[in-house]
Amino acid sequence: GQQLNQSPQSMFIQEGEDVSMNCTSSSIFNTWLWYKQDPGEGPVLLIALYKAGELTSNGRLTAQFGITRKDSFLNISASIPSDVGIYFCAGELPRAGAQKLVFGQGTRLTINP
Amino acid sequence: EADIYQTPRYLVIGTGKKITLECSQTMGHDKMYWYQQDPGMELHLIHYSYGVNSTEKGDLSSESTVSRIRTEHFPLTLESARPSHTSQYLCASSGSGGASYEQYFGPGTRLTVT
Repeated sequence: GQQLNQSPQSMFIQEGEDVSMNCTSSSIFNTWLWYKQDPGEGPVLLIALYKAGELTSNGRLTAQFGITRKDSFLNISASIPSDVGIYFCAGELPRAGAQKLVFGQGTRLTINP
Repeated sequence: EADIYQTPRYLVIGTGKKITLECSQTMGHDKMYWYQQDPGMELHLIHYSYGVNSTEKGDLSSESTVSRIRTEHFPLTLESARPSHTSQYLCASSGSGGASYEQYFGPGTRLTVT
């Protein structure tokens, strides 16, 4: 099936540092979504992107929908301990009526105090 | 804040037992989904529904079945549990219109089959 390549797979940073992660695909996507998952919980939607080139912020989080529609990135500024978790990108393929998402493999973020 | 609920949160059960994982949402969403996720790994879609009496298999083959008799309820059933079914099962829903691709997840059910 279609795959999203998410990188890096894991990150170990110091509190206060900025974080950047991205997702790429060989396929074009209509929609990009970014989720965060805490241990033992379901993913929580952070940001949704609907237009190529769109740049959207949610507090310290900023995400962009790539111009080619084949990639997206998520930045977190001034990381804090509660940012720890697994971040997933998800994309919706332009198949009529599908409205299904494909998920990346996740980026595990660890913060050293 | 999404209102989607899953029960039980944790289930340990023996091989061969029949189980039903419950999922309910109070947002009136027409679309609902079931995903399977091994710890820390990506999510795989196993079932989805566009509305009442509509169910489809997802991209990952699963021995489970689902039903959608009411808009708010989307239970998943395993007729005979096996150790290979051990995983986390996540339910999600989405609405219609411009935000129809925004899926909201429940807390998940962690299933262990011994």
